[in-house]
Amino acid sequence: AQRVTQPEKLLSVFKGAPVELKCNYSYSGSPELFWYVQYSRQRLQLLLRHISRESIKGFTADLNKGETSFHLKKPFAQEEDSAMYYCAGSQGNLIFGKGTKLSVKP
Amino acid sequence: DTGVSQDPRHKITKRGQNVTFRCDPISEHNRLYWYRQTLGQGPEFLTYFQNEAQLEKSRLLSDRFSAERPKGSFSTLEIQRTEQGDSAMYLCASSLNSYLDTEAFFGQGTRLTVV
Repeated sequence: AQRVTQPEKLLSVFKGAPVELKCNYSYSGSPELFWYVQYSRQRLQLLLRHISRESIKGFTADLNKGETSFHLKKPFAQEEDSAMYYCAGSQGNLIFGKGTKLSVKP
Repeated sequence: DTGVSQDPRHKITKRGQNVTFRCDPISEHNRLYWYRQTLGQGPEFLTYFQNEAQLEKSRLLSDRFSAERPKGSFSTLEIQRTEQGDSAMYLCASSLNSYLDTEAFFGQGTRLTVV
């Protein structure tokens, strides 16, 4: 069955510290992978997708097919990064993980 | 076109009643998704459409749930004989089915409370 797993419900770091939000996927074949973010009282929105290999707001994510992982990283966290982060995979449908709440403390 | 819109934003209903939600996607988007989200959980996939065709329905989805997208534009999600466990935020999203552009845009959701 298609599955996206985010093992951490909450990640709390201090401003300026590195951040890594973990995501593992289980698919037959090669899904397209995404990170979505939801800031307080806002809609879910796309942060980045693995195909574009871009950096958005200082975040990057590397696809590791051997480990079936797509971890999200940022070298220096900012307070405005505090939000819910969801990893998602798609093979036509779009399946989300349960999310990780990132809290960046001053 | 200001994005994906959902109506109503909030719905309170008595157990056993039927409810219907509407989603208007971004006009040129051919894919439309429905999700359910409860507190502290990620969006749970319910179903998705490619134009008017319903391509997949979650096995977790009860027979009380049905979705339509009759003309490949707006979509409706109906829940029959609502139960308290149906209380959740129902999210709709739409996207292009294009290799270069598969970003899903979300509506603000319909919050259902079953009393």
